Amino acid sequence: DQQVKQNSPSLSVQEGRISILNCDYTNSMFDYFLWYKKYPAEGPTFLISISSIKDKNEDGRFTVFLNKSAKHLSLHIVPSQPGDSAVYFCAARPTQGGSEKLVFGKGTKLTVNP
Amino acid sequence: NAGVTQTPKFRILKIGQSMTLQCAQDMNHNYMYWYRQDPGMGLKLIYYSVGAGITDKGEVPNGYNVSRSTTEDFPLRLELAAPSQTSVYFCASSYGPGPTGELFFGEGSRLTVL
Repeated sequence: DQQVKQNSPSLSVQEGRISILNCDYTNSMFDYFLWYKKYPAEGPTFLISISSIKDKNEDGRFTVFLNKSAKHLSLHIVPSQPGDSAVYFCAARPTQGGSEKLVFGKGTKLTVNP
Repeated sequence: NAGVTQTPKFRILKIGQSMTLQCAQDMNHNYMYWYRQDPGMGLKLIYYSVGAGITDKGEVPNGYNVSRSTTEDFPLRLELAAPSQTSVYFCASSYGPGPTGELFFGEGSRLTVL
């Protein structure tokens, strides 16, 4: 039973345009959401996070939006660059528990074409 | 600054063999984790440790063992390897349970069991 779903296995966008990666969750008891980025043959690296008490968090070209009523979050990358091509994992942390309780989605592979 | 170092990066095992995946971190993090990632899937937690001498099971612990004798090292032992253990293994660490749950990952160890 997937608690964190990334329903798009892949996404392709043109350089300079916006990339929108989506993530849905089923458990209302998540209090923190994170995005990780993974290049081939490397480990995931933390990108950005958002607390459940907020609806938006911005860091440079990356913005995460949280819609609690829809149990949906999205990562916006503007403008997209070829170096953003990677697999992006959405993760959620339950209220009861710490980092060891992180639940990861399956990932979305983003390709930014020059 | 090495971060999280995993060895080996690649290994092929025969069914029934045993091996140890090594993980070391130099960030003085209390928490360490072992995840596996199967093709097209998210990260699944195998075991984690909240400090030297303390370990606990994650979501998929069967067939694995861990120990944490020092803050820096967190080896993962595979006993009686099975084809179902073919996967990419990631070691990670974090300062603590943390408000954000940010994890620092190693580059991964690709294991094939034939």
